[in-house]
Amino acid sequence: DAGVIQSPRHEVTEMGQEVTLRCKPISGHDYLFWYRQTMMRGLELLIYFNNNVPIDDSGMPEDRFSAKMPNASFSTLKIQPSEPRDSAVYFCASSLAQAGGNTQYFGPGTRLTVL
Amino acid sequence: GEDVEQSLFLSVREGDSSVINCTYTDSSSTYLYWYKQEPGAGLQLLTYIFSNMDMKQDQRLTVLLNKKDKHLSLRIADTQTGDSAIYFCAANMNTGFQKLVFGTGTRLLVSP
Repeated sequence: DAGVIQSPRHEVTEMGQEVTLRCKPISGHDYLFWYRQTMMRGLELLIYFNNNVPIDDSGMPEDRFSAKMPNASFSTLKIQPSEPRDSAVYFCASSLAQAGGNTQYFGPGTRLTVL
Repeated sequence: GEDVEQSLFLSVREGDSSVINCTYTDSSSTYLYWYKQEPGAGLQLLTYIFSNMDMKQDQRLTVLLNKKDKHLSLRIADTQTGDSAIYFCAANMNTGFQKLVFGTGTRLLVSP
């Protein structure tokens, strides 16, 4: 079974441009998570979905960030307009809810550089 | 809320055992995880332990859980250079089991 798939793997853009990151979760998983990783702040949870519905977006930095999950096999994280401080590695993870627990499986990440 | 802490760096020689430590604050966490991140890659699940267990062994990996002290450790026996990576401890939150709180990660460097 394929793991979590993310695209693109690398993105370089200029400040002010719109950036869209994509994620395909593991088939059958009902939770999807977006994380951001930087040297300064470590791994931060941005938002997560359950059955395509956003449950907690308290980690989204500001209104420039938005995430959607139009169906069970696809999610996007959009930054508009992008800023240099958004440069980071963005991870998508998915999981299948189980009683009392949750094991998240991560994608390879998208390394975003905003110039 | 839950807070998970780890030391930042550990250096060992090849063939030695490595012990990576983690502390957490929420005693109601039911699952505790260890993830490994190699350079340029995502986080790979290594193992996890349920809170009603004290120890779990999986080949070269041994996880020890001290619930009283809220302390978790990962022991890697016969450490190899390929084990060099960042190791993250994570705990689920008591509200919303699906959210995990990650530590800052421990960078393990294995020298030949």
